[in-house]
Amino acid sequence: SQKIEQNSEALNIQEGKTATLTCNYTNYSPAYLQWYRQDPGRGPVFLLLIRENEKEKRKERLKVTFDTTLKQSLFHITASQPADSATYLCALETWHAGKSTFGDGTTLTVKP
Amino acid sequence: EAGVAQSPRYKIIEKRQSVAFWCNPISGHATLYWYQQILGQGPKLLIQFQNNGVVDDSQLPKDRFSAERLKGVDSTLKIQPAKLEDSAVYLCASSQGTGGTEAFFGQGTRLTVV
Repeated sequence: SQKIEQNSEALNIQEGKTATLTCNYTNYSPAYLQWYRQDPGRGPVFLLLIRENEKEKRKERLKVTFDTTLKQSLFHITASQPADSATYLCALETWHAGKSTFGDGTTLTVKP
Repeated sequence: EAGVAQSPRYKIIEKRQSVAFWCNPISGHATLYWYQQILGQGPKLLIQFQNNGVVDDSQLPKDRFSAERLKGVDSTLKIQPAKLEDSAVYLCASSQGTGGTEAFFGQGTRLTVV
C-alpha cells in the first residue's frame, strides 16, 4: 500500500545549526513533492515544490532534495532560528491523481 | 490578496447532531479542497472540487458527510449525524489548478464532538 513517512520523532536543534527533515515514500510515483509549514492552530503554508526531474531546489535558507531512486526527499533549514519552530509536512502529488497526499509531519523545535 | 476564509473557527456539538462548515476560497481559484486533520496527523483529503464539479471524493464518508460548492465559489461541508471520531480540524484549501500548484489553506474549523 502507499505510504508516506516523515521523522516520527520530534526534532530539537540549537539555533544556528542546520535542521534536516526526511520524507520517505513507498508505492508512489510522485510527479511533484511539496513541503509545507504548519504552526499550532493554523493551516499549512506552502514553502517549496520540487518536480520529479529536479534534484534540488533552494529558497533563501531552505533547500529541498528529491531522490526518486531512494524514494526520499530531504528538507534542510540552514542557520536555523527559534522562529523556524513548527511542524513541517511533505505532500506528494502523482501524475494521474491531481491531488496531494500529506505525511504526518515532523515537529521542529529550535532552541536559542 | 485575501486568503481562504473559513467559519466557524470552533464548534462543539453532541454526537448524533449535525454541523456545517463554510469556506470562501481565494478569488479565481478553480480548485477547492476539504481536508480532515486529526491531532498529530497530516491533513487527509475528503473532497476536491474543480469549479463546481467533484473531482475526488473517494475518502469522504458519504453516509454522513456531504459537500457542495455553489456556483464554483463558496463551499459548505456538512456532517450529519456526527460521531465522536469526527473530532478534528477541518481545513479548506484552494489553488489555481492542479499539477504542482501550491494550495492556500484557511485557518480551519476545530470540531469537538462530545
